[in-house]
Amino acid sequence: TQLLEQSPQFLSIQEGENLTVYCNSSSVFSSLQWYRQEPGEGPVLLVTVVTGGEVKKLKRLTFQFGDARKDSSLHITAAQPGDTGLYLCAGIRGSARQLTFGSGTQLTVLP
Amino acid sequence: GAGVSQSPSNKVTEKGKDVELRCDPISGHTALYWYRQSLGQGLEFLIYFQGNSAPDKSGLPSDRFSAERTGGSVSTLTIQRTQQEDSAVYLCASSRVLGGNQPQHFGDGTRLSIL
Repeated sequence: TQLLEQSPQFLSIQEGENLTVYCNSSSVFSSLQWYRQEPGEGPVLLVTVVTGGEVKKLKRLTFQFGDARKDSSLHITAAQPGDTGLYLCAGIRGSARQLTFGSGTQLTVLP
Repeated sequence: GAGVSQSPSNKVTEKGKDVELRCDPISGHTALYWYRQSLGQGLEFLIYFQGNSAPDKSGLPSDRFSAERTGGSVSTLTIQRTQQEDSAVYLCASSRVLGGNQPQHFGDGTRLSIL
């Protein structure tokens, strides 16, 4: 059983469309990060959220941390082919030192 | 380069052989992490180091897996008597200090294939 469930697992959309990726858990996380990974490369950090209800924007990407710090979402506006990749959420629970990763959302944006 | 370096980038070996994977973290980063990733999936945590110390080895899948870090820098992950289920991409990351909010900088991984 995944501690962090991501949905959808796969998403294929046309350029210009909007999309939302979800990261859910029954556990509380002290912080949550979103990474993007391209084929043959390691994940690259996009954002860290630490406060319940926090919203962060990174150009066309909007990240939200749930009020109860159990879930998060990533919204992309006007998706572009360069947004294609595997999006991973990862969180820290309690006093743990290591990140727990979600199963990932594979996004494909078609031109 | 300034990033995390992993070698080899690809490794193909026969079942039963031992393999050693290397990670060279960003200079000055005291924390180092190893993860395993199956095709298109999320990352499975294996072990972390604070300096040369690995306080928690419970993430290692079996006693065939071991890791060490010397001089607070380079780390090696060793898999003995490899099995086909060990096939995966092994990723290493480092961060300036140990802590949940610290950004982790990843290498490009070692793709391990066990025949």
